[in-house]
Amino acid sequence: QQKVQQSPESLIVPEGGMASLNCTSSDRNVDYFWWYRQHSGKSPKMLMSIFSNGEKEEGRFTVHLNKASLHTSLHIRDSQPSDSALYLCAASCRTGGYKVVFGSGTRLLVSP
Amino acid sequence: NAGVIQTPRHKVTGKGQEATLWCEPISGHSAVFWYRQTIVQGLEFLTYFRNQAPIDDSGMPKERFSAQMPNQSHSTLKIQSTQPQDSAVYLCASSLDPGVTSDYTFGSGTRLLVI
Repeated sequence: QQKVQQSPESLIVPEGGMASLNCTSSDRNVDYFWWYRQHSGKSPKMLMSIFSNGEKEEGRFTVHLNKASLHTSLHIRDSQPSDSALYLCAASCRTGGYKVVFGSGTRLLVSP
Repeated sequence: NAGVIQTPRHKVTGKGQEATLWCEPISGHSAVFWYRQTIVQGLEFLTYFRNQAPIDDSGMPKERFSAQMPNQSHSTLKIQSTQPQDSAVYLCASSLDPGVTSDYTFGSGTRLLVI
């Protein structure tokens, strides 16, 4: 049964600072990773996806993927109070029938 | 595009009663997923349909939970003899095709409270 581990559980960064979130899959056959953001009382919204080794940047958000270590990370630069939310990492693999499994999340608080 | 529609938004049931939750996926999406979210357990996978066929129900508590997808426009999650530990937000998500790099869109969820 694939598991997705996220760290840290919670993170406080000052406004304008850099937030770094980590995620690792337990399944060596993992094919796809996503990062979702969930604001309090709302449903998760897809933030970024990454399917190939390397780095992908979209505005203030950068994701890295290292498939050999089954690890992805999300970096938020110039963090804003509106970035305060639960960040969920999700993974799926072909051998799992593309079932999408989520980690427990990292709760980010950006302090003004 | 109305997105994934879940009804009802809130449901309160008495212990031992039945609860049925509805999900209408985005038109044209072939995959529908059900998840349950609580503070303690996080976002737990329950079950997954592709082209209306059940693919994986490994997350479903077998005795009281069942899910169906009778047509491509809706799926239901039924909980019989509800228990207080079933209280959670139940989220439905749909995807164009989970076999390729498509994204998953969540509905607003149904908040179930069993008293």
